[in-house]
Amino acid sequence: QQPVQSPQAVILREGEDAVINCSSSKALYSVHWYRQKHGEAPVFLMILLKGGEQKGHEKISASFNEKKQQSSLYLTASQLSYSGTYFCGTENTGNQFYFGTGTSLTVIP
Amino acid sequence: DAGVTQSPTHLIKTRGQQVTLRCSPKSGHDTVSWYQQALGQGPQFIFQYYEEEERQRGNFPDRFSGHQFPNYSSELNVNALLLGDSALYLCASSWLNEQFFGPGTRLTVL
Repeated sequence: QQPVQSPQAVILREGEDAVINCSSSKALYSVHWYRQKHGEAPVFLMILLKGGEQKGHEKISASFNEKKQQSSLYLTASQLSYSGTYFCGTENTGNQFYFGTGTSLTVIP
Repeated sequence: DAGVTQSPTHLIKTRGQQVTLRCSPKSGHDTVSWYQQALGQGPQFIFQYYEEEERQRGNFPDRFSGHQFPNYSSELNVNALLLGDSALYLCASSWLNEQFFGPGTRLTVL
């Protein structure tokens, strides 16, 4: 039931854009996005509760396609501070929470 | 606001022993979830507590148990420790679907 993320890893230069995808085989109630830096706890980025919902925070935004059971995280004009591992988290209708497989993002100067 | 706090920071135990980890949620948060994160892996959901009851449980054996107190703080207990229980244990508190993580407890089982 663990959501699958793609790509597994990506390297960007500062200022480039990236898209991280999250796909589930089960019906989703919500999708969360987190960033975890090495040796630190995951940090909540945003939650999408409804199919079709889109949210954004500064240059990071996300969308949720409920019918396709997919979500995407968009990082625009990446900064060095964006480096880390990104996880989607999905909650099914039974209130069970699953983190995705993770995407390692490295931003280089 | 102190955020989510966990204790202890690090812990070393031997196989067969029992361990108790503690978590204090962010002020005003009434829901606490526990996760296990093995090295290089994503967090795995253990269980969630709300109003002192276990509300949801992930795919973990009964050796993993928990408790939530009236002040919303929580404990995670693991009995009969195995080498495979070595991991970072994360506590997260939530309010209205936003989940905030504590720094974690690093458990090493020898």
